[in-house]
Amino acid sequence: DTEVTQTPKHLVMGMTNKKSLKCEQHMGHRAMYWYKQKAKKPPELMFVYSYEKLSINESVPSRFSPECPNSSLLNLHLHALQPEDSALYLCASSQEGLANEQFFGPGTRLTVL
Amino acid sequence: RKEVEQDPGPFNVPEGATVAFNCTYSNSASQSFFWYRQDCRKEPKLLMSVYSSGNEDGRFTAQLNRASQYISLLIRDSKLSDSATYLCVVKMDTGRRALTFGSGTRLQVQP
Repeated sequence: DTEVTQTPKHLVMGMTNKKSLKCEQHMGHRAMYWYKQKAKKPPELMFVYSYEKLSINESVPSRFSPECPNSSLLNLHLHALQPEDSALYLCASSQEGLANEQFFGPGTRLTVL
Repeated sequence: RKEVEQDPGPFNVPEGATVAFNCTYSNSASQSFFWYRQDCRKEPKLLMSVYSSGNEDGRFTAQLNRASQYISLLIRDSKLSDSATYLCVVKMDTGRRALTFGSGTRLQVQP
């Protein structure tokens, strides 16, 4: 089963709201990723977790807060977002190692009003 | 110069045509290379990894030229269902587990 799941599929939130995006994989992958994708642009890396520890933070604003409760789950906590944060948020996972093929979830389409 | 560059297209081709995409990368220490395909409003899906010796998967052939730092994807006998954006993806160095994406090449196969 090469599936990464994400919830919710769509999210609309106000600038004062707090919400969370969730990602789950059961492929035994030990690396998990959050990407942000704006329309007609490629995905941009936000965070990388390796063995449940944050290994890369691509200078993401603190209103985005990642969490990796265990090796299968990855969360992205959102607080005080701006309208320009509206985008498709993609989760991905991969095995450790050089090949590093990443498998993406279907994404959460976020709209910030 | 961008780390990974692709012609954005669109490439408009008739069904049955052969089409080729190229991608160049700037970091000679890059180690792993992939083609992903992304349909409109969907997630990227891995199409194929690209190996030094070149590799083929059905109608798709990928080539890597390390000396010139480019990767290619050849699609033979194009189908309507091949219409998508094709993303060239490069793993840049040993210290990072992240992938660097090109901007993508849009393919439109027409009946």
